[in-house]
Amino acid sequence: NAGVTQTPKFRVLKTGQSMTLLCAQDMNHEYMYWYRQDPGMGLRLIHYSVGEGTTAKGEVPDGYNVSRLKKQNFLLGLESAAPSQTSVYFCATADSTYEQYFGPGTRLTVT
Amino acid sequence: RKEVEQDPGPFNVPEGATVAFNCTYSNSASQSFFWYRQDCRKEPKLLMSVYSSGNEDGRFTAQLNRASQYISLLIRDSKLSDSATYLCVVNKGYGGSQGNLIFGKGTKLSVKP
Repeated sequence: NAGVTQTPKFRVLKTGQSMTLLCAQDMNHEYMYWYRQDPGMGLRLIHYSVGEGTTAKGEVPDGYNVSRLKKQNFLLGLESAAPSQTSVYFCATADSTYEQYFGPGTRLTVT
Repeated sequence: RKEVEQDPGPFNVPEGATVAFNCTYSNSASQSFFWYRQDCRKEPKLLMSVYSSGNEDGRFTAQLNRASQYISLLIRDSKLSDSATYLCVVNKGYGGSQGNLIFGKGTKLSVKP
């Protein structure tokens, strides 16, 4: 079992470029989440999903879009990257206990 | 009041010491509580869920006080490998937001030889 995987692990973007981060899980969990973590700010929820075909906004959704077309995948899109989106992005999954399991993270730099 | 607030730390303790972390939360409707640990430049990992009756896992004990809206984590006989940042996590607790978890900013623990 791979658990929760994220691709890519690292990425450098120029301002205005777009990209999609992929989170994949083989844990059959209903809930999936995207967080960003910045120094001194802790983990902040961007978007989350309570099941296939559903998405909901978190604390900091602006500038991001998500899709959950398949239960095992949760995509995070940046349509027009900005330097303020430089961060470490974590995906997590959970079942009905809400115990979260995290992927290894994606380090994104926007120049 | 912040949704989830933790001791700012850092906590610097010698090996073998007992250390306690506290965390307060603002939403009285919250139902799920957790402690995670995060090593430098790594993903958070679940340490333990916190149950109403309190729970223990080896050297770690977690307690919940609903009346005062705080949870605690006690680490006994600290090891060097316990050095990490400890994150308090609480769910929003109402309606469709039960799956929405709020993370505290974390408390850094450094265990010295």
